[in-house]
Amino acid sequence: EAGVTQFPSHSVIEKGQTVTLRCDPISGHDNLYWYRRVMGKEIKFLLHFVKESKQDESGMPNNRFLAERTGGTYSTLKVQPAELEDSGVYFCASSQDVRGGAETQYFGPGTRLLVL
Amino acid sequence: GNSVTQMEGPVTLSEEAFLTINCTYTATGYPSLFWYVQYPGEGLQLLLKATKADDKGSNKGFEATYRKETTSFHLEKGSVQVSDSAVYFCALSTGGFKTIFGAGTRLFVKA
Repeated sequence: EAGVTQFPSHSVIEKGQTVTLRCDPISGHDNLYWYRRVMGKEIKFLLHFVKESKQDESGMPNNRFLAERTGGTYSTLKVQPAELEDSGVYFCASSQDVRGGAETQYFGPGTRLLVL
Repeated sequence: GNSVTQMEGPVTLSEEAFLTINCTYTATGYPSLFWYVQYPGEGLQLLLKATKADDKGSNKGFEATYRKETTSFHLEKGSVQVSDSAVYFCALSTGGFKTIFGAGTRLFVKA
């Protein structure tokens, strides 16, 4: 069974440009999450989809970030325009259990974003 | 609010040494606790978890016990191997879907 995949693995862009990150969850997983780790700090929650609906987007830093999950399959996270402080590693995770709590979240390898 | 604090790294050990990575948490209610590991070039993997007080999670020789009285979930392994070199993250979840992570501890194991 394929795991969570993310594309691209690395992205280097200039301040003011736009970048779109993609996440393909494990097939059949209704829950999809985005997290971000900035410069060796803790991994922070960004948002959570259940199928195509945003369940919790309390961690989205500002309106330069837009996440979508059309059709409830893969998800994209767009940063427009990118700022220097957006640099970091963006992780995607998916899970099957809709009850929450101790369900296992399966993580992708992350996208390393560097904004110059 | 909810938070996780873990010891800063990096931690450097020789092969077969004993490992402890400290983790303490602050949470409302009764969280589930996790240790995740990120090997070089790979994504995060769930290493072990515990869902209630006094539970012990274990996997691949690693153990951690959920201590409610000290709000701790320290990770231990009796004899580390070079292949254990990775970044280890302590985390909690309070019954919702959001997972709160610590800053991570990088472990280097020398042959």
